[in-house]
This record gives sequence, structure tokens and C-alpha cells, in this order.
Amino acid sequence: NAGVMQNPRHLVRRRGQEARLRCSPMKGHSHVYWYRQLPEEGLKFMVYLQKENIIDESGMPKERFSAEFPKEGPSILRIQQVVRGDSAAYFCASSPDLVSYNEQFFGPGTRLTVL
Amino acid sequence: DQQVKQNSPSLSVQEGRISILNCDYTNSMFDYFLWYKKYPAEGPTFLISISSIKDKNEDGRFTVFLNKSAKHLSLHIVPSQPGDSAVYFCAAATSDGNKLVFGAGTILRVKS
Repeated sequence: NAGVMQNPRHLVRRRGQEARLRCSPMKGHSHVYWYRQLPEEGLKFMVYLQKENIIDESGMPKERFSAEFPKEGPSILRIQQVVRGDSAAYFCASSPDLVSYNEQFFGPGTRLTVL
Repeated sequence: DQQVKQNSPSLSVQEGRISILNCDYTNSMFDYFLWYKKYPAEGPTFLISISSIKDKNEDGRFTVFLNKSAKHLSLHIVPSQPGDSAVYFCAAATSDGNKLVFGAGTILRVKS
């Protein structure tokens, strides 16, 4: 059973470009979470999605950031008009439908560098 | 505001001895706590968790203790092994369970 997959692993963008980060949850998982880790900090929650629905986006910046989890295909975190401050590691996590505990399984992350 | 705090940025321990990593929280609504381990260039890996109705949970070399009145939890690793060297994150969640709130992490170095 493959784990959570994220691609690309590394992404370099120039200021003003768009970044698209992809996340395929573990098989059988329909809950996806995105977190961001800035240098020397812990992971910060961004958004929680179920298939075709955004459940909680309280951690998402109000502008330039969006996320989706379509019926078919991976979850996408999209950052428009990137700025240097967006440089960070972005982690996706997934959990199964029926969760008695909060264990979330994390992918390897996408490291975004904005030049 | 930092709801979950790990006040020790790093810890160095001799192989075979006990490692104790600490975590404090401020939000009394948290009722589930987790520890994750992270190697460089990898995602966090779940280690062990504890519900607020318990004060101890043990899994092999790893034990988590929860002191609700002090809003404090700790992770004990015994005996420590060089492969345990990693960053350890404490995380907490409320009963709706939609998001984890992480501490800043503690770098553990186990010397052989």
C-alpha cells in the first residue's frame, strides 16, 4: 500500500509565477490536509479537504492560495503570483474515512523555492 | 499565538540512556496529542499518541505521559538508539479532529 505521494519534490519558481503542488492520498483515504513549514518552525495547518469539498481553510492566506480535491485525481495546492515569503516545505497528509484517532499520514513534502 | 510549545530546540543523549522530550500547550480544548518524528527531506512519521482521558501510553521503547492539570506532555525513549536522531514534533487536536497544531520541534541527537 503506497504512502502519501507528493510531486514535485522540489519546485523552483520566479516571483510572480504560479506554483502547483500535487498530493495523492493513501489508498482508501478521502481526507486530505495541507501544512506549511517555514524554516526553523513547526508545521502550520493550511486547509482540510474531503472529496470535492473544502471543510476548513482557516489556515490559508486570504489571497493567492487555493486548494482543491476533485472527485478524480490528486489534491492540488495552487499558489498564484508567488513571492519570496512563500518559500517553504509544503506537506500533505491524509486520513481514512472513519477516524477514531487523529493520526494523519504525511507525504515527503514539496520544497518550494521562490527566486 | 503558539498553542503548542516545545521549549527545547535540541537535546543530546548518550546511546542507551533515556531521552525525554517535553511539550506544553495552552488550549484546554485539546483532547488528543501526538508525537511525530521527522528525518531531513522526509515527511513527519507518526510515533505515538494519547487521548486526554489517559495519563500514559506505551509502545515499545516509546512512552508518552500527559499531565492535564499542568497542560504538559512528555515523550520518553528508552533505551535511546542512534537511529532515533531526528526532529520530534509534538502535535495536538480538538475533538473535531480536523487539524493538528504543531510545536516547533526538538532536534534529538543520540551519540554512540
